[in-house]
Amino acid sequence: AQSVTQPDIHITVSEGASLELRCNYSYGATPYLFWYVQSPGQGLQLLLKYFSGDTLVQGIKGFEAEFKRSQSSFNLRKPSVHWSDAAEYFCAVGVSGGSNYKLTFGKGTLLTVNP
Amino acid sequence: SQTIHQWPATLVQPVGSPLSLECTVEGTSNPNLYWYRQAAGRGLQLLFYSVGIGQISSEVPQNLSASRPQDRQFILSSKKLLLSDSGFYLCAWSSGQGRDEQFFGPGTRLTVL
Repeated sequence: AQSVTQPDIHITVSEGASLELRCNYSYGATPYLFWYVQSPGQGLQLLLKYFSGDTLVQGIKGFEAEFKRSQSSFNLRKPSVHWSDAAEYFCAVGVSGGSNYKLTFGKGTLLTVNP
Repeated sequence: SQTIHQWPATLVQPVGSPLSLECTVEGTSNPNLYWYRQAAGRGLQLLFYSVGIGQISSEVPQNLSASRPQDRQFILSSKKLLLSDSGFYLCAWSSGQGRDEQFFGPGTRLTVL
């Protein structure tokens, strides 16, 4: 069965610093990969997705992620963090079984941004 | 454009009472629909998903049930709530075309006392 690991439960960075959130997946076939962001008490918003092709994908809010098949990773990056980026971030892997398409989520990484 | 609604936004219920959470999607037809529960530090747990009217798949056996009476309506229910049912419930939809992203509603915060 597929799984997603986000090794960092909580990360604190200073505003303006660079950011990298780690995500490792386990899946036997080519994965479909996603990053979502959740502000407190809100639903999840899609940041970016990888299906195929270019392994470096660009998303909203200045985020990007790189798919590395050899490392089974899909890390999220941002060159300069803003205070409004403070939120919880979830990595997910997609599993396709006919029309029954499901996502498996990691447990999330909480990002705190210091002024 | 597509939108997804959930209500109520918050709910406080006593143990043993019934539950009904509603999710509706606008602006699309024949979506896949999903119910997730989110507990602190445990990520998102898929509870149910549906690929069409009346078609429900359960991921985790428990005292909850789901129904899809209309194409764009998904309901989460319970006959008798347990303390462990407390959490943040999220509804999501996808186009059902395969390898596509899911779009989430604003969620319902359920507290069982």
